[in-house]
Amino acid sequence: LAKTTQPISMDSYEGQEVNITCSHNNIATNDYITWYQQFPSQGPRFIIQGYKTKVTNEVASLFIPADRKSSTLSLPRVSLSDTAVYYCLVGDSFNTDKLIFGTGTRLQVFP
Amino acid sequence: DSGVTQTPKHLITATGQRVTLRCSPRSGDLSVYWYQQSLDQGLQFLIQYYNGEERAKGNILERFSAQQFPDLHSELNLSSLELGDSALYFCASSGGIAGGQGGELFFGEGSRLTVL
Repeated sequence: LAKTTQPISMDSYEGQEVNITCSHNNIATNDYITWYQQFPSQGPRFIIQGYKTKVTNEVASLFIPADRKSSTLSLPRVSLSDTAVYYCLVGDSFNTDKLIFGTGTRLQVFP
Repeated sequence: DSGVTQTPKHLITATGQRVTLRCSPRSGDLSVYWYQQSLDQGLQFLIQYYNGEERAKGNILERFSAQQFPDLHSELNLSSLELGDSALYFCASSGGIAGGQGGELFFGEGSRLTVL
């Protein structure tokens, strides 16, 4: 399973766009990139998943460059309720030995 | 609501005791995962079951054990409890093997264990 590296924390203000980058230099051909959001004392919640290029849903966008060694979660116009920890997870359906979330990125949104 | 149910939500016990945490996965999900999250720590993967069989094992202590029953619910047994076992224990489920395409994990609300 590819190891991931994310910034420990980020600060932003309401209405701004936030980009959180995850490095996964050892990503394998079959690996997908999945992002989760976790609020205090709650279980993580799926945000978005992608394999290459760009994926967009009603919550976020995920940008993956051609070499797939990193990915960027983009949150448009954040609000106070986006304050949470964001985890990047890289893996595939066939060789999932350990689903390791890592330390995540703690996003703090200020008014 | 993720569809994953965990009981109990809160549990307070003493050192040396044994507890059982229960998880009911989303309807139709075959995989169940257990995670431990201590205060201000990341999610530590403990163990995964797929359709009744152990699929992957993470940093699970020997004092801990788990199983998945024929109806697909799972139980995590924690014995000889220590103060350091105080944590949130999350169960998650997925339709197949998580991580790959469509392998979204659905997490329950967790069971908060306090060992005094």
